[in-house]
Amino acid sequence: NAGVTQTPKFRVLKTGQSMTLLCAQDMNHEYMYWYRQDPGMGLRLIHYSVGEGTTAKGEVPDGYNVSRLKKQNFLLGLESAAPSQTSVYFCASRPTWGGRTGELFFGEGSRLTVL
Amino acid sequence: SQQGEEDPQALSIQEGENATMNCSYKTSINNLQWYRQNSGRGLVHLILIRSNEREKHSGRLRVTLDTSKKSSSLLITASRAADTASYFCATAIYGNNRLAFGKGNQVVVIP
Repeated sequence: NAGVTQTPKFRVLKTGQSMTLLCAQDMNHEYMYWYRQDPGMGLRLIHYSVGEGTTAKGEVPDGYNVSRLKKQNFLLGLESAAPSQTSVYFCASRPTWGGRTGELFFGEGSRLTVL
Repeated sequence: SQQGEEDPQALSIQEGENATMNCSYKTSINNLQWYRQNSGRGLVHLILIRSNEREKHSGRLRVTLDTSKKSSSLLITASRAADTASYFCATAIYGNNRLAFGKGNQVVVIP
């Protein structure tokens, strides 16, 4: 049981390049989330999904797009990377919990550097 | 905006001592959760306390919640070097499908 798997773990991009981060979970969870973590800022929510085929914006969605075509996968895309998007990105998932927000299961992170 | 705010931001203690961290929040919550993050790793869930609970224990962890003061504390008793990590509180709001995380407390346990 792998849990939440993020690929790639490390990536260096040049300004203006595009890339996609993949998050895969094998726990049949409905909810999936993308956070970014920056020094002194804690975790900030970028986008999230409450089920297959649905996505919603979080706190800091600008410059990112997401897709949830399959229940187990949640993709985070950067169409034109900027140095401000240098960060560590975390994917998380959780099961439905009676309409409330319970425990999140996190991946190990993807460290992105934009030059 | 960040819902949880931990205090103090950094804590250095000797092995065997207790470590206490506080978290404050601004709006009514459904539950509050604490997570641990070891250096270079993902976050791991430690404990969840519901809004109608005042105290909860899990092993060497004790969490309290005071909804009148909109604050929570995490106590780690008899700390070990392996407890060295960053600790985050996160709040779940009614009718909201997300968690809002605080900025984190860095705890260093000196052997």
